Amino acid sequence: GAVVSQHPSWVICKSGTSVKIECRSLDFQATTMFWYRQFPKQSLMLMATSNEGSKATYEQGVEKDKFLINHASLTLSTLTVTSAHPEDSSFYICSAPLPNSYNEQFFGPGTRLTVL
Amino acid sequence: GENVEQHPSTLSVQEGDSAVIKCTYSDSASNYFPWYKQELGKRPQLIIDIRSNVGEKKDQRIAVTLNKTAKHFSLHITETQPEDSAVYFCAASATDSSASKIIFGSGTRLSIRP
Repeated sequence: GAVVSQHPSWVICKSGTSVKIECRSLDFQATTMFWYRQFPKQSLMLMATSNEGSKATYEQGVEKDKFLINHASLTLSTLTVTSAHPEDSSFYICSAPLPNSYNEQFFGPGTRLTVL
Repeated sequence: GENVEQHPSTLSVQEGDSAVIKCTYSDSASNYFPWYKQELGKRPQLIIDIRSNVGEKKDQRIAVTLNKTAKHFSLHITETQPEDSAVYFCAASATDSSASKIIFGSGTRLSIRP
């Protein structure tokens, strides 16, 4: 079945540094992927839509210069948190639509980011 | 854009009893309504979904109902078991010509009392 992976599963970094998170569709191609952020005891909030071969579409209130998204290939999207600060500490989850489905999505296992 | 509201935020039921979680959505274009179960630190897992062309769907102990007119949909879990304890999210999505984003409700923390 369709599988989405993320790397790393967790990362700790110092304030001011940048962190890159990878999202891969392992056995299918995804021209679109989605990035979510989830703070403790809260819901998944959509950050942006990653589009292969074009710019990402950001949700209102999400800083595109801080959260850089690159959809380099049909199986890889990356999210870079630039100049990370403690308030960026969160659980970041990506998703990709299942093949031949406009709606159903498979979620990655998530990346726990802690900024000191 | 779409807004999904979910109630209650917490729910505690006796093992064996039923649990009901309710959601409303705002965008009449939404036509796909998945429900996810999320355990601590894990990815959301799809447990059931319903599309706007049906009003009810059932899978063993889990059922979902949809009222398009009122923009309401609900999750029903019968004969609850301890392993049903988790956070449940409803969500809504609208089909367009490309893959559609999924908007989540605020979540319900379900606890099953032994």
